[in-house]
Amino acid sequence: NAGVTQTPKFQVLKTGQSMTLQCAQDMNHEYMSWYRQDPGMGLRLIHYSVGAGITDQGEVPNGYNVSRSTTEDFPLRLLSAAPSQTSVYFCASSYSQFYEQYFGPGTRLTVT
Amino acid sequence: DAKTTQPPSMDCAEGRAANLPCNHSTISGNEYVYWYRQIHSQGPQYIIHGLKNNETNEMASLIITEDRKSSTLILPHATLRDTAVYYCIVRVAFRNTPLVFGKGTRLSVIA
Repeated sequence: NAGVTQTPKFQVLKTGQSMTLQCAQDMNHEYMSWYRQDPGMGLRLIHYSVGAGITDQGEVPNGYNVSRSTTEDFPLRLLSAAPSQTSVYFCASSYSQFYEQYFGPGTRLTVT
Repeated sequence: DAKTTQPPSMDCAEGRAANLPCNHSTISGNEYVYWYRQIHSQGPQYIIHGLKNNETNEMASLIITEDRKSSTLILPHATLRDTAVYYCIVRVAFRNTPLVFGKGTRLSVIA
């Protein structure tokens, strides 16, 4: 199993650009989520999904969109990048919200 | 979900036991205690979780007080590779609520 994979590992965007951060898991997990982590801070939840076709907002959803068309993939879209979205983004998955979550290696995004 | 309080940082000598405390005085009867850690800039890693009984696995032990208002994560023989930020999280099982990470405890294992 590859576990949770994220692409790209690093990305630099200009203000106003859009992009999609990819997240995929091969463990047949129903639950997937996106977090961001700013320097010296804990992780904050952006969006999550309890299964294909079902998504919900987390603590900091503004400026981000998600969809879940398959069990395996949970992409995060930045609609119009802003410097405040400079952060490290982690994707996670688990069998359900009760079980341990597996995190990906992260995507380091810089918006200039 | 109940809030947790952890010390911002701790040191531990290599080879000694690391005891990381967590206060969760407002925990309710159906809330579990979870521990994760984050090594440098990697994604967080699950360590252990429990409800009221003490738990042990290959990584650590979790000791929960009888009144469940606090808990301690024990790394029995800390190594330099255990240097990380450790997060104590309280959440309800079997409900669609995600993990909420605080700032955690930065554990430094010293040679």
